[in-house]
Amino acid sequence: AQTVTQSQPEMSVQEAETVTLSCTYDTSESNYYLFWYKQPPSRQMILVIRQEAYKQQNATENRFSVNFQKAAKSFSLKISDSQLGDTAMYFCAQGAQKLVFGQGTRLTINP
Amino acid sequence: DTGVSQDPRHKITKRGQNVTFRCDPISEHNRLYWYRQTLGQGPEFLTYFQNEAQLEKSRLLSDRFSAERPKGSFSTLEIQRTEQGDSAMYLCASSSGPQDYGYTFGSGTRLTVV
Repeated sequence: AQTVTQSQPEMSVQEAETVTLSCTYDTSESNYYLFWYKQPPSRQMILVIRQEAYKQQNATENRFSVNFQKAAKSFSLKISDSQLGDTAMYFCAQGAQKLVFGQGTRLTINP
Repeated sequence: DTGVSQDPRHKITKRGQNVTFRCDPISEHNRLYWYRQTLGQGPEFLTYFQNEAQLEKSRLLSDRFSAERPKGSFSTLEIQRTEQGDSAMYLCASSSGPQDYGYTFGSGTRLTVV
């Protein structure tokens, strides 16, 4: 069975700091993708970054980067120079067709 | 293209009533997914379509739930004889395949069963 675990229910940092959100997963699939989604309060889910499992190079998107450790089945998200607009629920997800989501990490960026 | 549209945004219904939600995907996306999200939880997969074919259905989906995607365009999700436990956000997403940078989600339909 596919599972995704986010062990940090809540995190809080000051604006401009760097923050890392953790995610571990389990799957029996050989080809799959990993995603981080952001869900601001009362707003829709937005894709932040994705990683193809067959690629060793870690994905980056501007201030967002991942640390993908395939053997350890770990997929953490690093947000650099955090901004107030980064305040949201962050969900880690894994899959090839359907996605399995973690329970989320509520991230608050304080001014 | 305005993204994935879901209608209605909010629905309040009495227990035992039937409800139907609609999702309009991004026009060039051939895959459409339904998820359910309860408060404080991540989305849970319900079902997905490739074009008009329903390819997978979660065990979470009881016989009271049915989804259709006629002609491979919009999709509807119907819940019959609603129960309080059905109260949740129902999310629709579409994609042209995971290789195409993942899903685009709609804003969801929030269902409250009273």
